[in-house]
Amino acid sequence: GQSLEQPSEVTAVEGAIVQINCTYQTSGFYGLSWYQQHDGGAPTFLSYNALDGLEETGRFSSFLSRSDSYGYLLLQELQMKDSASYFCAVNRDDKIIFGKGTRLHILP
Amino acid sequence: NAGVTQTPKFQVLKTGQSMTLQCAQDMNHNSMYWYRQDPGMGLRLIYYSASEGTTDKGEVPNGYNVSRLNKREFSLRLESAAPSQTSVYFCASRQSNGEAFFGQGTRLTVV
Repeated sequence: GQSLEQPSEVTAVEGAIVQINCTYQTSGFYGLSWYQQHDGGAPTFLSYNALDGLEETGRFSSFLSRSDSYGYLLLQELQMKDSASYFCAVNRDDKIIFGKGTRLHILP
Repeated sequence: NAGVTQTPKFQVLKTGQSMTLQCAQDMNHNSMYWYRQDPGMGLRLIYYSASEGTTDKGEVPNGYNVSRLNKREFSLRLESAAPSQTSVYFCASRQSNGEAFFGQGTRLTVV
């Protein structure tokens, strides 16, 4: 089977940096993805890591350590519009299996 | 570019009724997925289709059936709806490992 663990909620201040961690247990692992979902909306893709290391896309970065079965999403220069839920997801064979999500609260 | 289109957007069913959720993508993707999302549970995979003509069970397939009608379309059927199937349903598609594109969701209530 497979399972993913991520914190249910994280709170940070506008302009700060926040890291959302994800640990996973799965066989046949291909890569780790991150998605953002605003209330009432659909998930949208943020990043994908197939190899160990850091991937940077603007204010967002994602890291993967395959040996530790661990990854994180780093959000810099937080803006109020970043208030949303963030999901890590394991790409396994043809499946995409999601964690339960982390609700990010941003304080002004 | 429409991306992934789901219909209907909202639906109320009575217990025991049947219905089909429709999904179509115009990106020529091979893989398509159906998820349900409940509060605090994240997105749970119901069924997926890795290519035209194939379908496989996901994490929570009981009470559902699917049809990959062609490369574009992947439908989800509830044969006899139950209140436990009240949820938001998302269809998604993907070409290969990496970015999946989601439809806007179907909010289903079973009373």
